[in-house]
Amino acid sequence: AQSVTQLDSHVSVSEGTPVLLRCNYSSSYSPSLFWYVQHPNKGLQLLLKYTSAATLVKGINGFEAEFKKSETSFHLTKPSAHMSDAAEYFCVVSTGGYNKLIFGAGTRLAVHP
Amino acid sequence: GAVVSQHPSWVICKSGTSVKIECRSLDFQATTMFWYRQFPKQSLMLMATSNEGSKATYEQGVEKDKFLINHASLTLSTLTVTSAHPEDSSFYICSASVQGHRGTEAFFGQGTRLTVV
Repeated sequence: AQSVTQLDSHVSVSEGTPVLLRCNYSSSYSPSLFWYVQHPNKGLQLLLKYTSAATLVKGINGFEAEFKKSETSFHLTKPSAHMSDAAEYFCVVSTGGYNKLIFGAGTRLAVHP
Repeated sequence: GAVVSQHPSWVICKSGTSVKIECRSLDFQATTMFWYRQFPKQSLMLMATSNEGSKATYEQGVEKDKFLINHASLTLSTLTVTSAHPEDSSFYICSASVQGHRGTEAFFGQGTRLTVV
């Protein structure tokens, strides 16, 4: 069975400081992993995805994530937060492409001036 | 990227009535669309897979007679919540997958917040 755990429901950072959103997964098979962002009243947007290629994945808007099989983690990072990064972030795991997406509970990122 | 439009963005209805939510792929054809449900402060949970021209595939525990899905064209899937009750109040999101130059990618609608009173 697959599952994904986002370790923090809320993260608050100051503008210009690093962002770390933590995600651990459980999967019996080689997983595909994704990070999505959801701004208020908008749909989910794909930030990045891991599909068994390079373990360090670079996404849009300066975000990146590293797949660590030994730690079953796929943490999302960004060197310097921007006010526009404030949103809800979802870590997602799948073993069947996009047919079976298992979502984490989400992490709400707040960015303060 | 591709655009998926969901309508309405929010709806309030009385108990016992039915509500229809539309999901449209605006600039691509989607043979398969997905319907998710999100409770407050919880994950999105896949309800069903909508297949154009055939019956939807429902996840375990989802009542197919209560959540009617119709995918009559390559750009439109609808979810009808029949005889709605307050416990059906939730956030419903659809998505569609498209094959692009970066591989397969899923695009999501903006969601529909349903409140049953």
